[in-house]
Amino acid sequence: EAQVTQNPRYLITVTGKKLTVTCSQNMNHEYMSWYRQDPGLGLRQIYYSMNVEVTDKGDVPEGYKVSRKEKRNFPLILESPSPNQTSLYFCASTALARGNEQFFGPGTRLTVL
Amino acid sequence: GQQLNQSPQSMFIQEGEDVSMNCTSSSIFNTWLWYKQDPGEGPVLLIALYKAGELTSNGRLTAQFGITRKDSFLNISASIPSDVGIYFCASNQFYFGTGTSLTVIP
Repeated sequence: EAQVTQNPRYLITVTGKKLTVTCSQNMNHEYMSWYRQDPGLGLRQIYYSMNVEVTDKGDVPEGYKVSRKEKRNFPLILESPSPNQTSLYFCASTALARGNEQFFGPGTRLTVL
Repeated sequence: GQQLNQSPQSMFIQEGEDVSMNCTSSSIFNTWLWYKQDPGEGPVLLIALYKAGELTSNGRLTAQFGITRKDSFLNISASIPSDVGIYFCASNQFYFGTGTSLTVIP
């Protein structure tokens, strides 16, 4: 079954404490993304990766890092989280050959106190 | 970055009613995609449109790719309670609309 998994699903942390949200896909897609979803703003792309070792900034990259050491995994790293990063985060894997149809993970609800 | 203008922002309708929402942009796109997000889950693709003027159906859902390639609409006929959720339009360039929150009253 085609799947994008991300962990954890829920996380409450404090300002400045480094955290990582993992993402994995089993569809052999080259293109993966991270989005944040905030009320009234829809989905905004944080970072994307077009292939292994190739990453680039999306629309809202400040305060985030990513890495792509393997095709299937694309972790999101918050080195020093701040309260304005409280949000709902989605990892997505993209079928470039199908008009950029995206497959989303189940989401990670992050609260930074 | 660019966002797509999606309206309405929210809708409250009676079960059985039809629903219409649309998305516009100042840019031309090659693909329009419509997603639905159920509460507590990630968005899932409903319909993909690849050609200007294309009209595509998926059950009670119908979507059209505008002739100008700058807009798209989604219709849901005879709504049912499980249609509740947030609907997003998206382009092939990874831009998303701000979403339409749909509530269906039984």
